Formats: sequence, structure tokens, C-alpha cells
Amino acid sequence: AQTVTQSQPEMSVQEAETVTLSCTYDTSESDYYLFWYKQPPSRQMILVIRQEAYKQQNATENRFSVNFQKAAKSFSLKISDSQLGDAAMYFCAYRSARSGGSNYKLTFGKGTLLTVNP
Amino acid sequence: KAGVTQTPRYLIKTRGQQVTLSCSPISGHRSVSWYQQTPGQGLQFLFEYFSETQRNKGNFPGRFSGRQFSNSRSEMNVSTLELGDSALYLCASSFTGGPVLDTQYFGPGTRLTVL
Repeated sequence: AQTVTQSQPEMSVQEAETVTLSCTYDTSESDYYLFWYKQPPSRQMILVIRQEAYKQQNATENRFSVNFQKAAKSFSLKISDSQLGDAAMYFCAYRSARSGGSNYKLTFGKGTLLTVNP
Repeated sequence: KAGVTQTPRYLIKTRGQQVTLSCSPISGHRSVSWYQQTPGQGLQFLFEYFSETQRNKGNFPGRFSGRQFSNSRSEMNVSTLELGDSALYLCASSFTGGPVLDTQYFGPGTRLTVL
């Protein structure tokens, strides 16, 4: 079974600064997908960024980028120019790319609570 | 395009009762997944439906069940409620949920409190 670990329960950053959230995962599969979701106080889970394991290039979405290290099984999220609206719980998630209904689910880490200080 | 909707948003029940939660996926999405979120256990997968068939089930007791209708709307049912069932129940939809990259989009959740 796959596991996802987020070792930082809480992080804080000053507005306009950069912060990196860590995520490691354990899998025996070679093809999979990784995601970062954001859950603000409203509790609506929002997709931040996603990465396909077969792609070596790190995904980028505006101020959000990832550092994907497949050999190290590491998938960190970097938020640049942090804004007050970035304050939320951030979850790292894994999904298998294998066929078969038992694989079509997300496995989440415990989350990192990000505070943005003005 | 409307997002994933879940009803009701809040629910209070007592132990022993049963409850039904509803989820309407994004138009065109045929896969619906359910997750339970608690402070202690985090986000845990409950089950996934595609074309009215349950394709995957998480490690939850049989009191938790679900179904999907022909219009892809899904319901989950919890019978004989226990205090530990208090949680935020999240529904997510995607086109196929299959092996290709297919992002799951989440609804706002239903907050269930069991007294």
C-alpha cells in the first residue's frame, strides 16, 4: 500500500516571502500521479498543482511550483510571493496510474497548516 | 460549469440513527469518490463509483454504503451511527477516475455530528 508523509504539521511565512512544504511518499509503482490540494477554512478542497511521475519537468502554476525527486520519492511545494489568501491546510496526495478499479483513489498525507503573517 | 455540490451541508444525528448524504458531480463526470475527514485519521477513502458500479472500497465497516444513479449523482448511507462517525464527508468527481491523469474535484463537504 502507498503512504504519504507530510512531516511539517505547521508552517508560517511572511507575506511576500517564499515557503516550501515537504512531502514524501512510499510506493513500489513506477507510474503514478502526485497532487497538492489546498483546504482553506471554508473546507472546500481546491487543487493547487499536479505532477505526472513520468515527466521529469517540475510542474508550475503561477506562484506555485513543485520539486519532484522521483528517486528520493519526494514532492515538495514551493509558494512564492506568499499572499494572505494562501493561508490554508495543504495536503499532498498520491494516485496510482495502474489500471484497475482498486487503484482509482487518492491517498493523502496528514496535511500542513500554513499561516501567512502580514 | 457548476462545481460538485453536496447536500446537506450540516447534519446532526444521534447514535443509532442512520443518515444519507448526497453528491452531485460536475456535469459530464462519471466517477464519484467519497472521503471521510477527521482530525485524528485525516482524509480516508470510503468508496468510488463509476457508471453505477462500485469499483473500489476503503477499509470501513459495512455500515457505510453508497450507490450511484444513472445521472452520476451519488449517495452514501451510514447506518447505526456511532460517535466516531462524526466527520466531514467529502465527495469528489472526475471524468473517468481511470488510469489516465484525471483530476478529482471536490465538493464543499457535509459536516456530520453524531450526539
